[in-house]
Amino acid sequence: GAGVSQTPSNKVTEKGKYVELRCDPISGHTALYWYRQSLGQGPEFLIYFQGTGAADDSGLPNDRFFAVRPEGSVSTLKIQRTERGDSAVYLCASSLSPGPSYEQYFGPGTRLTVT
Amino acid sequence: AQSVAQPEDQVNVAEGNPLTVKCTYSVSGNPYLFWYVQYPNRGLQFLLKYITGDNLVKGSYGFEAEFNKSQTSFHLKKPSALVSDSALYFCAVRGDTGRRALTFGSGTRLQVQP
Repeated sequence: GAGVSQTPSNKVTEKGKYVELRCDPISGHTALYWYRQSLGQGPEFLIYFQGTGAADDSGLPNDRFFAVRPEGSVSTLKIQRTERGDSAVYLCASSLSPGPSYEQYFGPGTRLTVT
Repeated sequence: AQSVAQPEDQVNVAEGNPLTVKCTYSVSGNPYLFWYVQYPNRGLQFLLKYITGDNLVKGSYGFEAEFNKSQTSFHLKKPSALVSDSALYFCAVRGDTGRRALTFGSGTRLQVQP
């Protein structure tokens, strides 16, 4: 079946611009996660959705970052006033349930470059 | 708080030899442990997980991992390495309380030489 998809695969933007990154999870998966991966590091948690609501947004670095999941499926990560330090690969993952034993399935990521 | 340590940035093994990639963790409550593999320009692929029960868990592509509660370790192993196993490996943990998201280690690059 179809896995997690993310668009765009690459995004280059200028400092100060606004960007949106999209995630389409596996059908039927109720939990959705956003992570950010910088070069040479493991993924770092940003935000987690259970259904339509953000159940945990403690990983968002500041108020320039925001994410939505209005219908409980597709999610959009929004970054305002981008900075060069935002450059990273943004990964989306979904799982059938938020329970701790359920593995998360990851999309291919969006590589964001802020110039 | 939860954390994962992968003490080796890179592991080099010869094809056909056994491999071990090390991982230690810290978590509140019962640990749920995962290994993922990342190939160049691709997302993370799930390999295996430990939930409860047998300390030796088997996963995809012939990989297995050994859970050791007293040493808080979850080392990834394979009896006979393949060149195609060369990739970046991440260990991750979550507890049964608190944060739902995974906490990842910094990754270990496995290089299998022909």
